[in-house]
Amino acid sequence: QVQLVESGGGVVQPGRSLRLSCAASGFTFSSYGMHWVRQAPGKGLQWVAFIWSDGSNKYYADSVKGRFTVSRDNSKNTLYLQMNNQRAEDTAVYYCARGLGSYADYWGQGTLVTVSS
Amino acid sequence: QSALTQPASVSGSPGQSITITCTGTTSDIGDYNYVSWYQQHPGRAPKLMIYDVSNRPSGVSSRFSGSKSGNTASLIISGLQAEDEADYYCSSYTSASPLDVFGTGTKVTVL
Repeated sequence: QVQLVESGGGVVQPGRSLRLSCAASGFTFSSYGMHWVRQAPGKGLQWVAFIWSDGSNKYYADSVKGRFTVSRDNSKNTLYLQMNNQRAEDTAVYYCARGLGSYADYWGQGTLVTVSS
Repeated sequence: QSALTQPASVSGSPGQSITITCTGTTSDIGDYNYVSWYQQHPGRAPKLMIYDVSNRPSGVSSRFSGSKSGNTASLIISGLQAEDEADYYCSSYTSASPLDVFGTGTKVTVL
């Protein structure tokens, strides 16, 4: 069955960096675009980044453009989110999700990122 | 890109039908049939319930249906059950952004 497992979350100081990973299994990872979606504590959902199946195209929310980089290693069935110059407003649970077109049909359990000094 | 507008809360009794609305603009819902709905129970990941306005993924109950009129999309839950108590989010393609946009979210309470 489809499984997505995020890791790499934790507490990070403002201005520092963190890299999230998402290990995929149960499907042909290289055939699907992948999403990162985040949810601040007690708040709604926000699309953060999307990467095509072959990694050739990437899209970002305006709030993270220039600071976050999405990438993937299809040989390792793993999706990444490199988060630089982090801000307090980046505090959220980060989910990876499999793309069904622009939709997300399978989601991981999420990993919490807390930006605080 | 501004979030799509949803009511903060909707409630109903078991067995009843409820409708959750999602209002956008001609840059998103009004001009495109790429609307989806997600269900999220507390502490859990979201789950895709409806895509392309009215299509249900395999395994989603037929009690969930979707529709659209003008700039407003709707999620209808019929035969309301206790397990339907959750937060619901709409999402739509938008020409104003390279990524889709979520709605503000609606908390459904089963009385």
